[in-house]
Amino acid sequence: SYVLTQPPSVSVAPGQTARITCGGNNIGSEGVHWYQQKPGQAPVLVVYDDSDRPSGIPERFSGSNSGNTATLTISWVEAGDEADYYCQLWDSSGDHPVVFGGGTTLTVL
Amino acid sequence: EVQLVESGGGLVQPGGSLRLSCAASGFTVSGDYMTWVRQAPGKGLEWVSVIYSDGSGGRTYYADSVKGRFTISRDNSKNTLYLQMNDVRTEDTAVYYCARARYSVTGFDYWGQGTLVTVSS
Repeated sequence: SYVLTQPPSVSVAPGQTARITCGGNNIGSEGVHWYQQKPGQAPVLVVYDDSDRPSGIPERFSGSNSGNTATLTISWVEAGDEADYYCQLWDSSGDHPVVFGGGTTLTVL
Repeated sequence: EVQLVESGGGLVQPGGSLRLSCAASGFTVSGDYMTWVRQAPGKGLEWVSVIYSDGSGGRTYYADSVKGRFTISRDNSKNTLYLQMNDVRTEDTAVYYCARARYSVTGFDYWGQGTLVTVSS
């Protein structure tokens, strides 16, 4: 089944840009979704289909996807962005269609 | 307004059974992709099971870790998603979330608040 690989942690200072990667075999040919999860809360979809934002998600959150890496970019990072972030895609090739990455903890210094 | 409310979690002994429910409002569960995702204490999200929309054949899929023990289903008349958990193990201890996707391209845009399942003797 498909495997998505994320770095365990990313640290960034307030006001800087955070980039969280999600690696997978030819992931650029798939639609990737990103979720933010704060402690004790359910995940929230922040980017879908590589680069689209749901209603209510700030423009500071953006995404890209090419080759073997998808990237969630958070511009002008704020303390409130500190959370775990997960990538996810649908793998139609087998019997495990929903795949999540292992998650990345974003720390705002 | 779209809302998902899980219930049915609790303490269960190893080898026991439990049924989780996810009551939906603001949309119809039969028309969308519904999934269960769990999160063990201190761990990441783990996909458990998914049921496709009626329009996509209503197919069901399971993670290897629960296949043969868990069953996903829905009651269209109650607009509710279920997860029947049999022969539970200590490693099934987690918060269980239900979530919905309109289509696979949109991701899971609504999630429930989660229900805690603790498997312990």
